[in-house]
Amino acid sequence: QLEQSGAEVKKPGASVKVSCKASGYTFTSVGISWVRQAPGQGLEWMGWISTYTGNTNYPQRLQGRVTLTTDTSTSTAFMELRSLQSDDTAVYYCARSELPDAFDFWGQGTMVTVSA
Amino acid sequence: SYVLTQPPSVSVAPGRTASITCGGSNIGSKGVHWYQQKPGQAPVLVVSYDSDRPSGIPERFSGSNSGDTATLTISSVDAGDEADYYCQVWNHGTDHYVFGPGTKVTVL
Repeated sequence: QLEQSGAEVKKPGASVKVSCKASGYTFTSVGISWVRQAPGQGLEWMGWISTYTGNTNYPQRLQGRVTLTTDTSTSTAFMELRSLQSDDTAVYYCARSELPDAFDFWGQGTMVTVSA
Repeated sequence: SYVLTQPPSVSVAPGRTASITCGGSNIGSKGVHWYQQKPGQAPVLVVSYDSDRPSGIPERFSGSNSGDTATLTISSVDAGDEADYYCQVWNHGTDHYVFGPGTKVTVL
């Protein structure tokens, strides 16, 4: 129900934009959260976007470096992360969620590798 | 910021019960969600709002939450339950989600 774009390899300082295409439900009926997981590490919430209004909510740690957007015409959500560093190497997931509910469906994940 | 604690690992024999704790200040006043993640796979929601099971999740998975500790209980554990388990809350103070560090469940 959530299909993510393919793996990316980026150089330090670059940006990456990951997509998450929804199907099987009304896209604007529930928001999308993004979560990342560095190799061998736990889950980190990166932010949430209302697919209905476009309102966003970001954690302080990533504020100013991450931007969440949507394209309702294609039922697709996007996560852009700028000024990439090696510790941004992780699997990035999108997941359906409405604040403060649980994430009931997840995308398959997108591996982003940051390496010189 | 709000911090959640989990034991790094829990080991359990097949057929026995595994209990995974999630600690946080007055966590009993918050709704706790639990996820199961197997190697190379995306997380799967197994319990929401302390004790609600999504459709398709076996009754063997149950949850409770009181005081400073929430608990995910897996009864009649089998090899298919080997995974990392994460707790999650919505922190109203910061209006952000917080995840616990995760617990690796090993079936002996």
